[in-house]
Amino acid sequence: DAKTTQPNSMESNEEEPVHLPCNHSTISGTDYIHWYRQLPSQGPEYVIHGLTSNVNNRMASLAIAEDRKSSTLILHRATLRDAAVYYCILRTLDSGGGADGLTFGKGTHLIIQP
Amino acid sequence: NAGVTQTPKFRVLKTGQSMTLLCAQDMNHEYMYWYRQDPGMGLRLIHYSVGEGTTAKGEVPDGYNVSRLKKQNFLLGLESAAPSQTSVYFCASSYRLAGVQYFGPGTRLLVL
Repeated sequence: DAKTTQPNSMESNEEEPVHLPCNHSTISGTDYIHWYRQLPSQGPEYVIHGLTSNVNNRMASLAIAEDRKSSTLILHRATLRDAAVYYCILRTLDSGGGADGLTFGKGTHLIIQP
Repeated sequence: NAGVTQTPKFRVLKTGQSMTLLCAQDMNHEYMYWYRQDPGMGLRLIHYSVGEGTTAKGEVPDGYNVSRLKKQNFLLGLESAAPSQTSVYFCASSYRLAGVQYFGPGTRLLVL
């Protein structure tokens, strides 16, 4: 499976934009880039996903590099409720008979200062 | 909709005891998953199911069994609990292969 690399932690101030980077240099053409987040003492929560083009939804934006070897999750105006661990995960529609599960790394622990 | 629910929320077991964790979803999803999360780590896939009556092994299946007798329920069993199975267990469901997964709130299990 293609791997992702994320910083262990990042800190930002409330009401400022946050850019969370993810490197995935071995990404294949069929891999979608998914982002999940896990708030303290809760299960993971889907944030956004994309393949090649930048994506926006009510929670965040996803900027994907032209060569797809990296991506950035953008929280436009962070609040204290956005403090969580953010996971960047590659998903392929062709599992090749392998297990259809999410492969979680350690993610980025986002700290929001008031 | 309740989404994905898990029972119980917390349990303490003694080594060698057995128990069953229940996951239920009301979204009519075909795919269901069991993960475990150890302190400071990401989640790891234990078993999953691609439909009623089917189950398959994930990354860390040893020591666990599962059953999917009804589409809405996915059961995770520990036949003989070990301290190494102390963890937080999350269930998830999805409407399609490689689709978005919806997670439950987790079950905290302590094995003494």
